[in-house]
Amino acid sequence: DGGITQSPKYLFRKEGQNVTLSCEQNLNHDAMYWYRQDPGQGLRLIYYSQIVNDFQKGDIAEGYSVSREKKESFPLTVTSAQKNPTAFYLCASSPIAGGFSGANVLTFGAGSRLTVL
Amino acid sequence: GENVEQHPSTLSVQEGDSAVIKCTYSDSASNYFPWYKQELGKRPQLIIDIRSNVGEKKDQRIAVTLNKTAKHFSLHITETQPEDSAVYFCAAPWANQGGKLIFGQGTELSVKP
Repeated sequence: DGGITQSPKYLFRKEGQNVTLSCEQNLNHDAMYWYRQDPGQGLRLIYYSQIVNDFQKGDIAEGYSVSREKKESFPLTVTSAQKNPTAFYLCASSPIAGGFSGANVLTFGAGSRLTVL
Repeated sequence: GENVEQHPSTLSVQEGDSAVIKCTYSDSASNYFPWYKQELGKRPQLIIDIRSNVGEKKDQRIAVTLNKTAKHFSLHITETQPEDSAVYFCAAPWANQGGKLIFGQGTELSVKP
């Protein structure tokens, strides 16, 4: 199913809880990304990683954390510090980080919908 | 930094008509412009892209045009069909941030049979 798998598809969180969204890819891609999708706001970058054991904050990193211990895996933790976590979360990967002169073709996962109760 | 503006936010056309979605970008060093289509409940998928060394690229019923001087690019869909109904996103790379893609706000296209 596209080589990039996100789980769970739906997740419910109580106030004050941390939750972790899984993202696994078997495309041998170096770079991985987490985007948040809200209606009318497009795709906003949370975190990205260009190589194992390294990652950078995106535009809306507050209240989120990530790890990149393996090339295939890039889990996202939504912490209790994220004040408005209800959203659709998309994981993506690309062969290389893109770079100034490169094409950065992204392959997306099917997404995880998080709802805060 | 890179700022990508996309218009319109919603677009409704009759089957068979053409649809045009426009995006502007701010980083003059951007050199790659993809378009993604996201059907309801599904993942975004790349449908066409263009590099800055060409002004137009076609793939069957879809085409993308690029005006580097004006810093805008457009998606053109001809002979629209109901299965073209989806949300479309444009994107442009932010050169000073390793080329990471910045997305537009999205256009919800509805094709009425």
